[in-house]
Amino acid sequence: DGGITQSPKYLFRKEGQNVTLSCEQNLNHDAMYWYRQDPGQGLRLIYYSQIVNDFQKGDIAEGYSVSREKKESFPLTVTSAQKNPTAFYLCASSSQFPFPVEQFFGPGTRLTVL
Amino acid sequence: GENVEQHPSTLSVQEGDSAVIKCTYSDSASNYFPWYKQELGKGPQLIIDIRSNVGEKKDQRIAVTLNKTAKHFSLHITESQPEDWAVYFCAARDNQGGKLIFGQGTELSVKP
Repeated sequence: DGGITQSPKYLFRKEGQNVTLSCEQNLNHDAMYWYRQDPGQGLRLIYYSQIVNDFQKGDIAEGYSVSREKKESFPLTVTSAQKNPTAFYLCASSSQFPFPVEQFFGPGTRLTVL
Repeated sequence: GENVEQHPSTLSVQEGDSAVIKCTYSDSASNYFPWYKQELGKGPQLIIDIRSNVGEKKDQRIAVTLNKTAKHFSLHITESQPEDWAVYFCAARDNQGGKLIFGQGTELSVKP
């Protein structure tokens, strides 16, 4: 099956620890995105990457880091610098060339920091 | 940059009734407007989209209308069913880099 996978579905960490969320896609999409979702606040863009080895900050990048070493993978690290990391994290991907098309979302990872 | 406002934040309808969710956007250069449905604990799923060269698009019980002059677009659900109970997000594609800018979401509940 083609699609986007995120793992794990639920993740618990102690305060002060870094944690990495996985996102993999086999859709051959060029662009990948990370969003954070909090109740009543919609989807906020953390980071995005339009091509391998390149990525840009979104609206709320502070306290997060990413890498894009492979086309199919875009892991997100939530660092200890993120003041309020408990949230639902969504990864998405889309084709960019010859023009951008719809984004497809993964199932999400719910991170709880204790 | 682009800004998207979505109303209402919650909407309750009776089964069989229609539901309408409205969004406004700020950047007149935006040319793509998708709608997503998110069920509890899941990722959003694209349900319908519209491009700026079209005024209306239908897919069975759902339709989207776009008014470019007023910079607003709406989602219309007819004959609401229990399976329509979800959070709906509108979005507009930013003209720079192809990012989607999302509205705040509408929680639709369908009462039997």
